Amino acid sequence: DTGVSQDPRHKITKRGQNVTFRCDPISEHNRLYWYRQTLGQGPEFLTYFQNEAQLEKSRLLSDRFSAERPKGSFSTLEIQRTEQGDSAMYLCASSLVRTRPYLVHYGYTFGSGTRLTVV
Amino acid sequence: TQLLEQSPQFLSIQEGENLTVYCNSSSVFSSLQWYRQEPGEGPVLLVTVVTGGEVKKLKRLTFQFGDARKDSSLHITAAQPGDTGLYLCVRSTLGRLYFGRGTQLTVWP
Repeated sequence: DTGVSQDPRHKITKRGQNVTFRCDPISEHNRLYWYRQTLGQGPEFLTYFQNEAQLEKSRLLSDRFSAERPKGSFSTLEIQRTEQGDSAMYLCASSLVRTRPYLVHYGYTFGSGTRLTVV
Repeated sequence: TQLLEQSPQFLSIQEGENLTVYCNSSSVFSSLQWYRQEPGEGPVLLVTVVTGGEVKKLKRLTFQFGDARKDSSLHITAAQPGDTGLYLCVRSTLGRLYFGRGTQLTVWP
């Protein structure tokens, strides 16, 4: 396993266009997370999945954003009608979570990100 | 909202110098993590500290968790150009990570 993979690494798009990013997590990981990082800031949480279920969405995730993880493996993040303010690095991470006897996370690993530039 | 305050925000030093970066919060943490991020890459976990007063060493990096578990520091001895990067302190809540703004460290040869 080569870790968390994200595709594409870079995307330049015109304002108003739709874009879709893909994340392939570490295969045995059951949780997948999306973060957004703008220049000069630390990453900010957007949403996460446990297996195929989307369990939480941040207020940062406007109606133009949608994320899916249809088979509990890879995930896609789509941004519709992109705006210049959407320009950022979109990071995916995965981890293995065990809930019994108590909540423990293993191997929280980030991908290299997709750099989106909206012009 | 940045619940973790990191300082300094930028640090530029010569190779061989020592440095300390700080992470502070008004909240008590069950644990705190430090990550390093290089340009164009995702953050990479350096260490997790759990116990108040805990000190962990990773080669030339020394991490300390405050006694009250509200603050942490990272000390680098004899910095090298390869230490250049964004150092992020992070708290974890139910699997979600909350990052500070980070300290951008540049080490010049």
